[in-house]
Amino acid sequence: DTGVSQDPRHKITKRGQNVTFRCDPISEHNRLYWYRQTLGQGPEFLTYFQNEAQLEKSRLLSDRFSAERPKGSFSTLEIQRTEQGDSAMYLCASSLRIAASSYNEQFFGPGTRLTVL
Amino acid sequence: SQKIEQNSEALNIQEGKTATLTCNYTNYSPAYLQWYRQDPGRGPVFLLLIRENEKEKRKERLKVTFDTTLKQSLFHITASQPADSATYLCALEAGNMLTFGGGTRLMVKP
Repeated sequence: DTGVSQDPRHKITKRGQNVTFRCDPISEHNRLYWYRQTLGQGPEFLTYFQNEAQLEKSRLLSDRFSAERPKGSFSTLEIQRTEQGDSAMYLCASSLRIAASSYNEQFFGPGTRLTVL
Repeated sequence: SQKIEQNSEALNIQEGKTATLTCNYTNYSPAYLQWYRQDPGRGPVFLLLIRENEKEKRKERLKVTFDTTLKQSLFHITASQPADSATYLCALEAGNMLTFGGGTRLMVKP
């Protein structure tokens, strides 16, 4: 257990439905990341936050994907109008970034496995 | 285009031997490179980080090398054990984003 939790662990939904996933990072971590991982591939970066600011969102897969971190603590990832191609593992990670030159070890949660029927 | 390549074929070795995994990259100039371990159905777990000015780094039975001229990192597990069986991912940071290779699955047989 890395201290990063995700909920739910599994989600089955029908095509066209909206889904929302939650991530609770390690409490003192200021950075939070979302990734998508498909079978046999490495995690694919989607977006990240520093505190409550979303600093990179150009890698979100489409405008159906959005993420929030309203108070700089937990974060949510929403997928609207789900498609079968959205089926994947969605991973959240957090890290503590102290200075621009500090390295960025990331602590990953267990992931949410999404299946779109 | 930028690429991070790891051997997609599984690596099968006998217990006690040294496992060597390769990570090659193109069109990156990373300040550092990271290695993670991932077990089935779980998130990746950080193992080691090596900076561009470091040639080698060790942690217990793990050793990582980083050759910025060859654009390659090697990850070694000495005295391998069946418990080391997992997928190993290398990752580079560029622009505050961590980009992962596809991972190599290691199987250590008793």
